[in-house]
Amino acid sequence: AQSVAQPEDQVNVAEGNPLTVKCTYSVSGNPYLFWYVQYPNRGLQFLLKYITGDNLVKGSYGFEAEFNKSQTSFHLKKPSALVSDSALYFCAVRDIGAGNNRKLIWGLGTSLAVNP
Amino acid sequence: NAGVTQTPKFQVLKTGQSMTLQCAQDMNHNSMYWYRQDPGMGLRLIYYSASEGTTDKGEVPNGYNVSRLNKREFSLRLESAAPSQTSVYFCASWEQATYEQYFGPGTRLTVT
Repeated sequence: AQSVAQPEDQVNVAEGNPLTVKCTYSVSGNPYLFWYVQYPNRGLQFLLKYITGDNLVKGSYGFEAEFNKSQTSFHLKKPSALVSDSALYFCAVRDIGAGNNRKLIWGLGTSLAVNP
Repeated sequence: NAGVTQTPKFQVLKTGQSMTLQCAQDMNHNSMYWYRQDPGMGLRLIYYSASEGTTDKGEVPNGYNVSRLNKREFSLRLESAAPSQTSVYFCASWEQATYEQYFGPGTRLTVT
């Protein structure tokens, strides 16, 4: 069965320090992977994706993610965290089951708190 | 472009009441979705519409119905609301070329 796991419910980091939000996946075939961010009382916004090509993907707001096929991971990273990065982050993978090409399988989310 | 819009933003219902959540997108996307978000449970798909004229059940369809009125609009109806349907509801549409989903601002529903 296809799945996405975000092993940490919450990540705390000091402003200016690097941050990592973890995501692992289980799919058959080549994964299409995504990160979305949700700020308080807002809808989700697309951050970045991996479809094919370079394993290091750069996205919005200075975020990047590294696709690691051997570890089936797609961790979100940022070299220097800002207080304004505090939000809920979701990892997702395209559901490649028959007839499901347009659906995503979502992780449960990781709450990132960046402390001043 | 307004993107994905949802109405209402907030709603309080009594058990047994009905209501319709409205969603519209102006990006000419074929696919649209309804999710609910509950603490600790992430996003769960209620229904989706791959294209105008089609709808399919997601993970948690019980207690809901949907209508894809046209390419722009996708509504979610609660026929007899229950406290278990207290949640935040998000509508989304899908950009086929980029595989990106675009979300509305959400509807916060409380059923008492």
